[in-house]
Amino acid sequence: EAGVAQSPRYKIIEKRQSVAFWCNPISGHATLYWYQQILGQGPKLLIQFQNNGVVDDSQLPKDRFSAERLKGVDSTLKIQPAKLEDSAVYLCASSFTPYTEAFFGQGTRLTVV
Amino acid sequence: AQTVTQSQPEMSVQEAETVTLSCTYDTSENNYYLFWYKQPPSRQMILVIRQEAYKQQNATENRFSVNFQKAAKSFSLKISDSQLGDTAMYFCAFMKHKSSGSRLTFGEGTQLTVNP
Repeated sequence: EAGVAQSPRYKIIEKRQSVAFWCNPISGHATLYWYQQILGQGPKLLIQFQNNGVVDDSQLPKDRFSAERLKGVDSTLKIQPAKLEDSAVYLCASSFTPYTEAFFGQGTRLTVV
Repeated sequence: AQTVTQSQPEMSVQEAETVTLSCTYDTSENNYYLFWYKQPPSRQMILVIRQEAYKQQNATENRFSVNFQKAAKSFSLKISDSQLGDTAMYFCAFMKHKSSGSRLTFGEGTQLTVNP
């Protein structure tokens, strides 16, 4: 069974530029999560989708971050414009239902300079 | 809001020995789930073990077991017969049981090193 796929693995951008990350969840998984993991900290949920609907985006900085999951399958997370403090690993995870095991991708390491 | 605290930033253990990682949490919820995740240098979070709060019996998965003390809000992970491949960052995580939204709240992590 293929795991959660994320791309790119690494990205370096200058502040005020925009960036997008892509996630393809495990086939059949209705729930998709984006987490932000700042170096030395545990991951923090940015947004949770159930199929193509948003369930929880209470911790998403909506002035600069946006995410979509148009067909209820893959998802993109965008940052525009990026700030230095956005440097982090962005993890995507998926699960069959909200209360079954969440499987994580390998993340995208973003460096904003 | 829920908080999860891991008071041991780093730990080390000799191969084949036993080590216990500590975790405490704060919540007013009665129904919830607790997890331990492992994050090796590859960055991929891997579920180690899961505990439902309504279950009194401590969860076990091969060499991994937990000591769940609901009244004390404590959830420690014991790794027996430690192996070199257990070297990783370990995160304790909490999830509320609610009809919508299943956010994982993570602790700060404990870096475990298994020495040969």
